[in-house]
Amino acid sequence: EADIYQTPRYLVIGTGKKITLECSQTMGHDKMYWYQQDPGMELHLIHYSYGVNSTEKGDLSSESTVSRIRTEHFPLTLESARPSHTSQYLCASSAPLGGNLNTGELFFGEGSRLTVL
Amino acid sequence: AQSVTQLGSHVSVSEGALVLLRCNYSSSVPPYLFWYVQYPNQGLQLLLKYTSAATLVKGINGFEAEFKKSETSFHLTKPSAHMSDAAEYFCAVSDRGSARQLTFGSGTQLTVLP
Repeated sequence: EADIYQTPRYLVIGTGKKITLECSQTMGHDKMYWYQQDPGMELHLIHYSYGVNSTEKGDLSSESTVSRIRTEHFPLTLESARPSHTSQYLCASSAPLGGNLNTGELFFGEGSRLTVL
Repeated sequence: AQSVTQLGSHVSVSEGALVLLRCNYSSSVPPYLFWYVQYPNQGLQLLLKYTSAATLVKGINGFEAEFKKSETSFHLTKPSAHMSDAAEYFCAVSDRGSARQLTFGSGTQLTVLP
């Protein structure tokens, strides 16, 4: 059972509000990721981090920002939410590639479903 | 760069019938390969993974997948579908030379008919 947690699970807010989606993991993983997924659609990587104070943008351009001040915590922030931000956001973490045990598999949280009215 | 192609965005089978979900990959180096399952309103859960040991990999819930290098395929099968198998299934490849971890396919929605 993966130890990665996302809050809130569901959030409905109005346009222009600032929101932060929280993601925490207790596995000591250095690598963490944020994916965006529309219903029934594929996953798009929007942010990733290789460790504390390391963040990079992913394949899909996103107006959100992330921070990584602590190993276990990787929050995602939208300064001014818009209806186009309505989606499911999935957080994941992984141990580094290499060795017989670390095959790069990702451990996912249960997701945060954001609806912007 | 690696890529993954899942043939068929929607697959329907009858309860008790064989499940076959197709996945083909391209990778410049021998890959690690994964199948994930996603139930409605949840995150992704690892079903099974290929890590260059046995080519036939058994996973949870009775699923298995066979790595075929000559066909660059990693198809997912289950002999007898159950209603609880209805979900979205994602194939993913991890290129050992890549720092970006996993590349996901576009997913296959499995429907199980009574």
